[in-house]
Amino acid sequence: ETGVTQTPRHLVMGMTNKKSLKCEQHLGHNAMYWYKQSAKKPLELMFVYNFKEQTENNSVPSRFSPECPNSSHLFLHLHTLQPEDSALYLCASSQGGQGTGELFFGEGSRLTVL
Amino acid sequence: DAKTTQPTSMDCAEGRAANLPCNHSTISGNEYVYWYRQIHSQGPQYIIHGLKNNETNEMASLIITEDRKSSTLILPHATLRDTAVYYCIVRVQGSWGKLQFGAGTQVVVTP
Repeated sequence: ETGVTQTPRHLVMGMTNKKSLKCEQHLGHNAMYWYKQSAKKPLELMFVYNFKEQTENNSVPSRFSPECPNSSHLFLHLHTLQPEDSALYLCASSQGGQGTGELFFGEGSRLTVL
Repeated sequence: DAKTTQPTSMDCAEGRAANLPCNHSTISGNEYVYWYRQIHSQGPQYIIHGLKNNETNEMASLIITEDRKSSTLILPHATLRDTAVYYCIVRVQGSWGKLQFGAGTQVVVTP
């Protein structure tokens, strides 16, 4: 139990589908992140939210749409994805600000786009 | 954030100490050294971090050279469950956790 829960753990979708990934943290943190990990590549930071406000979008295509309704929940809405978007999507949270900066990651959502 | 250089892979015998090196020659005075690891198909896990002094916790020890241009993560008694990719990252503490991951070191612990 890492304190960061991601659902679903596995998702298969077609290129025309619309789906969402969900992340919930039970750690009282105020910063949340989406990372993408493609096969044989380093983790790539996608989005950063601090106190529900998006503070970073790392040139992510608009077919990925994040939503952060409160400090405990983070969503990644997916639509008209491409096969190359197949990857492990990881959510993380941290204290932010002058905290230690330690990130707590979820187990990830394994996405396959057909 | 400063770049880091790590070996691509290393093997370690179970029960022995594993010493993982990391070079960060361009590290700034306010940048910390963080170590994370990622067991296959799981999310990364925080291990330890430090600024100048050596640090130790229940998982590992971190030795930082006096000039801070390199560091070593020590797993004192490696187990098979320590097989993972280990990432050395340098960043300013409190910079909203924007970790920049490199390729890391694939550590394989063998019986």
